[in-house]
Amino acid sequence: DGGITQSPKYLFRKEGQNVTLSCEQNLNHDAMYWYRQDPGQGLRLIYYSQIVNDFQKGDIAEGYSVSREKKESFPLTVTSAQKNPTAFYLCASRRGQGETEAFFGQGTRLTVV
Amino acid sequence: GQNIDQPTEMTATEGAIVQINCTYQTSGFNGLFWYQQHAGEAPTFLSYNVLDGLEEKGRFSSFLSRSKGYSYLLLKELQMKDSASYLCAVKDQAGTALIFGKGTTLSVSS
Repeated sequence: DGGITQSPKYLFRKEGQNVTLSCEQNLNHDAMYWYRQDPGQGLRLIYYSQIVNDFQKGDIAEGYSVSREKKESFPLTVTSAQKNPTAFYLCASRRGQGETEAFFGQGTRLTVV
Repeated sequence: GQNIDQPTEMTATEGAIVQINCTYQTSGFNGLFWYQQHAGEAPTFLSYNVLDGLEEKGRFSSFLSRSKGYSYLLLKELQMKDSASYLCAVKDQAGTALIFGKGTTLSVSS
């Protein structure tokens, strides 16, 4: 079945450590996105990529980094520079043309202790 | 700047009709989406509007007025399973990313 997969579902890290969240899709979608969700804050855009080897900062990119070496994969690294990394992280993909909706992965809940 | 407003919370009873409003002020507009999200889960797509008017899909309908920067999601014959957050999202000027509102938490009681 085609879909978008995030792993792991729950992740714990110590403060000061970098951590990478995985996002893989087999939908042949060109565009991929990372959002962060905090209680009462809705979804805020961190980074997005429209094609391989290209990505753009969203509204809250500071403290995060991404890569897009393959069409299927868009990993997000939460660096030690991110002041409040504990959150629910959602990855999404979209065909990138026309009015198609974005499909979301199941999310990764990151807790930094 | 980008601003999307929705009510924070709404309550309704089973079998009733509820309307969730969304107003937006964005640097450009290339379509508006509604998503449903149950707690701890991924958002799922409900509807898309790019032209003015009403789009109906089963128990759910969505309306758009571009001149007013306004949309609503109408849920009919409410069921307990409709208790969730409803997210309004606008496709930005470049049409590349979705900008989300903070969501409306709907609680349906029997």
